[in-house]
Amino acid sequence: QVQLQESGPGLVKPSQTLSLTCTVSGGSISSGSYYWSWIRQPAGKGLEWIGRMSTSGSTKYNPSLKGRVSVSVDTSKNQFFLNLNSVTAADTAVYYCARGVPPGLSGSGDYYWFDPWGQGILVTVSS
Amino acid sequence: DIVMTQSPLSLPVTPGEPASISCRSSQSLYSNGYNYLDWYLQKPGQSPQLLIYLGSNRASGVPDRFSGSGSGTDFTLKISRVEAADVGVYYCRQGLQAPLTFGGGTKVEIK
Repeated sequence: QVQLQESGPGLVKPSQTLSLTCTVSGGSISSGSYYWSWIRQPAGKGLEWIGRMSTSGSTKYNPSLKGRVSVSVDTSKNQFFLNLNSVTAADTAVYYCARGVPPGLSGSGDYYWFDPWGQGILVTVSS
Repeated sequence: DIVMTQSPLSLPVTPGEPASISCRSSQSLYSNGYNYLDWYLQKPGQSPQLLIYLGSNRASGVPDRFSGSGSGTDFTLKISRVEAADVGVYYCRQGLQAPLTFGGGTKVEIK
């Protein structure tokens, strides 16, 4: 059973870069066709999709983050990463990593659902 | 961006009674024979978990008291008989196009 675990600093200063790691266990990050994804949730608020990298290496990001975000994968370590630069207090949130699973159906395009999710990590942006 | 709107915001329920949550999208989520809509449950203090994918398909291990229906822009998640373990915030999410977007959530609590 695949499990995901986020790690990284819980406190980042404004204007610096937020860097998180998601470690995948119970399966190889390079096997199958998945979308390794990041989602965040500000305290008391809803969920915001950040971006993803597919097993094939293609990336897609939320335009609301204005080019500040990148997602990458290290298959040798079975990990994927989030970098978000020039952070402000508005980036304070619980950050989740998740595996995007496509249905494998003809015509289903770029659709995938999130399963499983990591437990989440709280990142606070403050000086 | 596709806007997802859920109602109600809060839903007090009696154990054993049915419950229903509505989700509407600002444009149709139907394409190529599929509805690109998922449902997730975030139990208190936990990360979200998948309940329903492609509008009406239960994820592995999800009890059959949960069902998803609808097409196009109007979707419904139904719980046939609510249990105490079902409390939490329910989110719908569109998977048709980036940026992927979630509804604002419906908090289900026991009366």
